Amino acid sequence: GAGVSQSPRYKVAKRGQDVALRCDPISGHVSLFWYQQALGQGPEFLTYFQNEAQLDKSGLPSDRFFAERPEGSVSTLKIQRTQQEDSAVYLCASSPGLSRSSYEQYFGPGTRLTVT
Amino acid sequence: AQTVTQSQPEMSVQEAETVTLSCTYDTSENNYYLFWYKQPPSRQMILVIRQEAYKQQNATENRFSVNFQKAAKSFSLKISDSQLGDTAMYFCAFMTRNSNYKLTFGKGTLLTVNP
Repeated sequence: GAGVSQSPRYKVAKRGQDVALRCDPISGHVSLFWYQQALGQGPEFLTYFQNEAQLDKSGLPSDRFFAERPEGSVSTLKIQRTQQEDSAVYLCASSPGLSRSSYEQYFGPGTRLTVT
Repeated sequence: AQTVTQSQPEMSVQEAETVTLSCTYDTSENNYYLFWYKQPPSRQMILVIRQEAYKQQNATENRFSVNFQKAAKSFSLKISDSQLGDTAMYFCAFMTRNSNYKLTFGKGTLLTVNP
């Protein structure tokens, strides 16, 4: 595709609701990353996929956060029982692969999640 | 653990002038990559410039250049001939192969270019 897309762009959830955020990476990109960006802060790593395998989930803040990429392309980040501290922009990024020449990450526009 | 520090929360510059944004980092790795990303108010993160640590020559992309001082662990961004469209948050970021190529970001510097 032309770039990384994310949907929805904005999501308002009541505390305790479950949400699902979608990321469509650039076609053919092997690596996919999720980041969380709190207001006024830099993005922080959440999780990483190589194709369909989730190789690193060390940044997920709690077991309420779950991510998947079942066919190695589209990825979904799910947050269960949302809390106010989950309010942030969730950024998805993809990159072509793991070699030194293909490490550059391309970012989507993000999903702004507001938990009320 | 790697850390990235941007000590200037906000900066401003007059159009057509030059500005330098500071970044320092801490790592025990020898092979790594450094980046400057720009995030305009529309929120999409855009790569401005990148530098591989094994390269001694400083990277340059048109009006953007870096001063990479490996021993000092410093990676500053110089923007020449500043334009109104350069107004954005600028993030310095760090990546290593050993960390699965995930990016570690600084807190950002808000740059405002004034007409």
